[in-house]
Amino acid sequence: GQQVMQIPQYQHVQEGEDFTTYCNSSTTLSNIQWYKQRPGGHPVFLIQLVKSGEVKKQKRLTFQFGEAKKNSSLHITATQTTDVGTYFCAGRWGSGTYKYIFGTGTRLKVLA
Amino acid sequence: DADVTQTPRNRITKTGKRIMLECSQTKGHDRMYWYRQDPGLGLRLIYYSFDVKDINKGEISDGYSVSRQAQAKFSLSLESAIPNQTALYFCATSDGDTYEQYFGPGTRLTVT
Repeated sequence: GQQVMQIPQYQHVQEGEDFTTYCNSSTTLSNIQWYKQRPGGHPVFLIQLVKSGEVKKQKRLTFQFGEAKKNSSLHITATQTTDVGTYFCAGRWGSGTYKYIFGTGTRLKVLA
Repeated sequence: DADVTQTPRNRITKTGKRIMLECSQTKGHDRMYWYRQDPGLGLRLIYYSFDVKDINKGEISDGYSVSRQAQAKFSLSLESAIPNQTALYFCATSDGDTYEQYFGPGTRLTVT
């Protein structure tokens, strides 16, 4: 079935270090979204990637969509304690549906 | 977001009881979703609806039913609750242009 594998499951970093989480699909995605969930909170939309090879930046966050549209990554440069939370990708396949399947998430802890 | 509300926020119920979780939105979106979150499993799609007349099963619909009473309201029911339905439940909405999903604050359900 359609699913996205997300790694790693957990990541502990020292404040100031970089962080990356990866999502992979065995089949071509239509687009992929990224969400952040703070501890005790609800998921909040970060970005959507649609085009093959697309790269988008939001301050210290860099999002990439692979050339084959089967993988994506989120990279955070110089993490801060405010980056703590769980990061999810959510993939969509095909053009006739609007359902998204979420990855299992990467839980980021930042040590001050 | 205050635009998407869920009631109740917390609920403890006994095995075999029927329970309804409610979601309301003021964003004017046609698309609404119910997700379940369990530790280590991410967000799993239960049901989704693209308008009042359209209801679709998600990844894990067994044991659940939904009702789309109006564009703004989407309810999730557990006809006979069982302990492994203990989880955090999120409602979400999205519009037809950006597909960005807006999540409610969640309902923490415990089935004893």
